[in-house]
Amino acid sequence: DIQMTQSPSSLSASVGDRVTITCRASQSISTYLNWYQQKPGKAPKLLIYTASNLQSGVPSRFSGSGSGTDFTLTISSLQPEDFATFYCQQSYSTPLTFGGGTKVEFK
Amino acid sequence: QVQLVESGGGLVKPGGSLRLSCAASGFTFSDYYMSWVRQAPGKGLEWVSYISGLSTYTNYADSVKGRFTISRDNAENSLYLQMNSLTAEDTAVYYCATEGVTSRPYRFWGQGTLVTVSS
Repeated sequence: DIQMTQSPSSLSASVGDRVTITCRASQSISTYLNWYQQKPGKAPKLLIYTASNLQSGVPSRFSGSGSGTDFTLTISSLQPEDFATFYCQQSYSTPLTFGGGTKVEFK
Repeated sequence: QVQLVESGGGLVKPGGSLRLSCAASGFTFSDYYMSWVRQAPGKGLEWVSYISGLSTYTNYADSVKGRFTISRDNAENSLYLQMNSLTAEDTAVYYCATEGVTSRPYRFWGQGTLVTVSS
């Protein structure tokens, strides 16, 4: 199975900050990497697919990059509604696996 | 718009069974793979199972293989998960989601249904 490791596991930030979350795969997954946002008590929501493609309706302050084993999710200017937990997920091979999550909290 | 609504969760004793349902609308259901993903309380996300559009292909996580069965009824636009021999480790919110197979993300998710396995 492909292991997905996210860092940091949590971070504190302020509105307006630039936030970067990293995700590393245990083997190359090309660009088959997706990012999700989950708010408490809610279902995950797809933000970015195949590493850098913005899902329809997702604000452009979210962006993704990377290929192979190393990926990043960037929020260019953190907004109040962005405080949540973010997960990466590989769709390169079954079983599809998720990272452990990064909780973005208010500083 | 795409809507996925899960039902069937609840409290069940260890060793018991439960059947989850997911009602889909807003898209051509039979054209899409569908998946179940679960999340234990306070934990991360775990893929459980997927099924192809015409039910030709199914796959299961090792943790549920032999105990859970995924199925679908395209005439009813519904997805199911039959869960047998439940243990405390199966306690989680269960989400249905579109796709979630090789090269395809989980694009749309239901709101989830909570399964609690406890005596």
